[in-house]
Amino acid sequence: EIVLTQSPATLSLSPGERATLSCGASQSVSSNYLAWYQQKAGLAPRLLIYDASSRATGIPDRFSGSGSGTDFTLTISRLEPEDFAVYYCQQYGSSTGTFGQGTKVEIK
Amino acid sequence: EVQLLESGGALVQPGGSLRLSCAASGFTFNTYAMSWVRQAPGKGLEWVSGISDSGGSTYYTDSVKGRFTISRDNSKNTLYLQMNSLRADDTAGYYCARRLYGVYSFFDSWGQGTLVTVSS
Repeated sequence: EIVLTQSPATLSLSPGERATLSCGASQSVSSNYLAWYQQKAGLAPRLLIYDASSRATGIPDRFSGSGSGTDFTLTISRLEPEDFAVYYCQQYGSSTGTFGQGTKVEIK
Repeated sequence: EVQLLESGGALVQPGGSLRLSCAASGFTFNTYAMSWVRQAPGKGLEWVSGISDSGGSTYYTDSVKGRFTISRDNSKNTLYLQMNSLRADDTAGYYCARRLYGVYSFFDSWGQGTLVTVSS
């Protein structure tokens, strides 16, 4: 089973700043099948990025994904107030689909 | 509009059983693989179980194998999770989620979740 490790656990930033979130895999992710989700308190997760770098429908272009193999990054170019949330990466190269432990982006 | 509505969560004693349901609407249910994902209070997301569009293939995380059974009734557009021999560490919010491109795919739609609490 592929283990995903996200860093940092918490990111303290101000609105307008750039956020860089990392997701490392214990082995290469098949076909770069890596997704990113955003979750706000009390709500279901929302798909942001799939296939490592493709934005889901309706996702603003300030969100971008990059990476391949074992190292992936989610970048939020300029944080808006509504972007403060927890972000999870997920690999789906197998029929299971493990998640990272999450990165909380909080207001500094 | 895709809608997934979970139900069936409750307080149950250790060793007990529960069946969760997820009613789907707004899409052709029998053409999509589905999954259950859970989230313990204050914790991260954990994939629990998945099922192919036809129901012919099922998958489980190791911690629930032999205790949980995923199924679907495509005539009723409903996904199920039968949970037996429940333990305290099964306490979580349970989400049903749609896999957009088959069993090897990301989750593009999620329900609002239903809470399962295992406690005496």
